[in-house]
Amino acid sequence: EIILTQSPATLSVSPGERATVACRASQSVANKLAWYQQKPGQPPRLLIYGASTRATGIPARFSGSGSGTEFSLTISSLQSEDFAVYYCQHYNNWPSYTFGQGTKLDIK
Amino acid sequence: EVRLVQSGAEVKRPGESLRISCQASGYRFTSNWIGWVRQLPGKGLEWMGIIFPGDSETKYNPSFQGHVTISADESITTAYLQWSGLKASDTAMYYCATYSGTLALDVWGQGTTVTVSS
Repeated sequence: EIILTQSPATLSVSPGERATVACRASQSVANKLAWYQQKPGQPPRLLIYGASTRATGIPARFSGSGSGTEFSLTISSLQSEDFAVYYCQHYNNWPSYTFGQGTKLDIK
Repeated sequence: EVRLVQSGAEVKRPGESLRISCQASGYRFTSNWIGWVRQLPGKGLEWMGIIFPGDSETKYNPSFQGHVTISADESITTAYLQWSGLKASDTAMYYCATYSGTLALDVWGQGTTVTVSS
């Protein structure tokens, strides 16, 4: 079983600043990695798939990078609506999925 | 538009049975895997399992195997998640999800809250 470890668990950033969340896989998942955003009371929303491709309707300030075992999600200039919990997920064994434990992005 | 609409909130007692549903529309139901995700109160997302309605093939997260059953009814384009003996630890939000243009889960139901309490 491939385990995903996100860091940090909580990230405090000021609006307008840049935020980066890391996700490490216990073994290679190639580029089969996605990022999701979840706000309170809402289902998750897909942001990034294939490690670096933005999903439909996702603003350009969201970007993903990495391959193999090291990945990151960067939000270039934080807007108020970006404060949420972010999860990475791999689908290297599709159609099975595994989520990371989540990173809470809150306002500094 | 691809949509998933889940059944309403449930309150059950320990040991009771339950089946929650997820009705799909806007795509060919038998052609896409559809899965279930658990979120315990205040916790993260856990992938439970997935079904291919075309032939009912299922895959389970080993952590959930034997405790839940995933099924689907092609005639009403609906997937199900069921328990035969609920525990208090099953209290959670449950989401169904599928994919439309990628292999990642880009379509989600609104979630079904299950509360198990004596």
